[in-house]
Amino acid sequence: DGGITQSPKYLFRKEGQNVTLSCEQNLNHDAMYWYRQDPGQGLRLIYYSQIVNDFQKGDIAEGYSVSREKKESFPLTVTSAQKNPTAFYLCASNLQGAQGRTEAFFGQGTRLTVV
Amino acid sequence: SQKIEQNSEALNIQEGKTATLTCNYTNYSPAYLQWYRQDPGRGPVFLLLIRENEKEKRKERLKVTFDTTLKQSLFHITASQPADSATYLCALVDSWGKLQFGAGTQVVVTP
Repeated sequence: DGGITQSPKYLFRKEGQNVTLSCEQNLNHDAMYWYRQDPGQGLRLIYYSQIVNDFQKGDIAEGYSVSREKKESFPLTVTSAQKNPTAFYLCASNLQGAQGRTEAFFGQGTRLTVV
Repeated sequence: SQKIEQNSEALNIQEGKTATLTCNYTNYSPAYLQWYRQDPGRGPVFLLLIRENEKEKRKERLKVTFDTTLKQSLFHITASQPADSATYLCALVDSWGKLQFGAGTQVVVTP
């Protein structure tokens, strides 16, 4: 089955630690995205990538880093510089091309809590 | 700045009635607009896409309209059911290729 997989589902981070959230897709999608969602809030874009080895900052990139070494993978690192990282993190992907961009597929999310 | 605005107040409706949600946008010139459903603790799921040259799109009990002059999309759920209770998000691609979402509107359908 094709899809997009995030892991882990729950993650606990101590103060000052870096943690990495995994996102893998086997949909052969070009573009991948990371969003953050706080309780009762909408999705805020952290980073996005439209092609391998290239990515751009979204609206709230500070304290986060990403890489896109493979088309299938777009891991997100939450660094110690992110002062309030407790949130629900969502990864998405979609197919982009000359016919226009299509609907996004989302992973099941990672809930990160600082302890 | 670019904005996507949805009604932040929850929409409470009775089963069988039509729910109508609004998505307004500013400083976008979208070629298309998308609607998603999100259940608590889950990722959003795509529902419908409507292009700028389409006035209306339907899928089962869902209907979407798109008015590029008013910069507005309306999302209708007809003959609503308790299973339709969820948060509904609209989304646009901005001029840099970023997929941006509105904050969503929660719909609560009571029997």
